[in-house]
Amino acid sequence: DAGVIQSPRHEVTEMGQEVTLRCKPISGHNSLFWYRQTMMRGLELLIYFNNNVPIDDSGMPEDRFSAKMPNASFSTLKIQPSEPRDSAVYFCASSSNGPPGPLYEQYFGPGTRLTVT
Amino acid sequence: KQEVTQIPAALSVPEGENLVLNCSFTDSAIYNLQWFRQDPGKGLTSLLLIQSSQREQTSGRLNASLDKSSGRSTLYIAASQPGDSATYLCAVNYGGSQGNLIFGKGTKLSVKP
Repeated sequence: DAGVIQSPRHEVTEMGQEVTLRCKPISGHNSLFWYRQTMMRGLELLIYFNNNVPIDDSGMPEDRFSAKMPNASFSTLKIQPSEPRDSAVYFCASSSNGPPGPLYEQYFGPGTRLTVT
Repeated sequence: KQEVTQIPAALSVPEGENLVLNCSFTDSAIYNLQWFRQDPGKGLTSLLLIQSSQREQTSGRLNASLDKSSGRSTLYIAASQPGDSATYLCAVNYGGSQGNLIFGKGTKLSVKP
């Protein structure tokens, strides 16, 4: 299995531009999570989906952030317009409620390092 | 508020030492707890997951314990090696598949040769 795949790995953009981050979860996993990691706040949940349905988006900072999961194998996190304070590493993770492996063990992608100048 | 705390924030030990990393959580009604490793500039690698009904899990030189009643978990690393140098993160799941992970800030471990 290729694991959780994220793209791009690095993104540098100017303030005001739209940014789209992409994630492909592990095949067969039915939950998908978007996290953000900063030095100041550590790892924080932004939003998560179960069976492609958004369950909790209370961690989304503001209306500039949106996320979609059109099917079980793809999700996007969009920031429009981007601001310098959005600079962080964005991680996608997935988990399953069935075997193999421990129930609900979350597997993380390599992350997207976003820099907004 | 559900919070996860890790102490110490940083730890430096000589190679070969056995060591313990600590994690505490404020709400004992957890579903499971995961320990991760993060290398600089990299993603998170899952090390061990302990279900709420379990007391400990072992993988190689790693042993994680869970005491829900006291709101604590420990990660024991035996015979530490320089390759163990990384940040170790503790994360608590309160909701199963309907729940996200709440992370501690991590312990940065440095093992000196």
